[in-house]
Amino acid sequence: SQQGEEDPQALSIQEGENATMNCSYKTSINNLQWYRQNSGRGLVHLILIRSNEREKHSGRLRVTLDTSKKSSSLLITASRAADTASYFCATMFSGGYNKLIFGAGTRLAVHP
Amino acid sequence: DTGVSQDPRHKITKRGQNVTFRCDPISEHNRLYWYRQTLGQGPEFLTYFQNEAQLEKSRLLSDRFSAERPKGSFSTLEIQRTEQGDSAMYLCASSLSPLEERDGYTFGSGTRLTVV
Repeated sequence: SQQGEEDPQALSIQEGENATMNCSYKTSINNLQWYRQNSGRGLVHLILIRSNEREKHSGRLRVTLDTSKKSSSLLITASRAADTASYFCATMFSGGYNKLIFGAGTRLAVHP
Repeated sequence: DTGVSQDPRHKITKRGQNVTFRCDPISEHNRLYWYRQTLGQGPEFLTYFQNEAQLEKSRLLSDRFSAERPKGSFSTLEIQRTEQGDSAMYLCASSLSPLEERDGYTFGSGTRLTVV
């Protein structure tokens, strides 16, 4: 079963615009991670945010985490055509588990 | 070390046949995970190992599925008596334990299984 849910399911923007994807989850977590997947390929880790953190940055990526609302957002600034991919949030439950549970993803299309 | 390797990349098999996939993780990673992904969905957890010990297996995984990680290095995932519903991308990932800052899982490119 998938505990995270991304919103929107699909997003289409022009190059240079910002892209925002949201993720909601159901239970307490140790951390939340975002991954990117190009068509037919494996997933690539983008960023990890721990439950005691509220915001992290990595290059053009900004991730926020609101544990009271059980939600996270991924912002890609100044998007490029090469950012076209599916983006997944994945949560690691608190309480000793150590496996990631993935959402269904947001499919991002960036048009030149 | 060039990352996580999976073999084969593609497998087409007839319903009822057995198939086996192999995963070679990053050598210093002691955790290895198997996921299954169908079109338009996120990866679904199947099982994971710490070294050679299989620590958890999804209750969604039928008895036709078995995984091993002898000597805590490479892993194999076998599906017996394949069914059309087994058609999917099978992804392997590895990681350190516990997770270090900025680290996540390193995924292989996956094995795409088609059952005809």
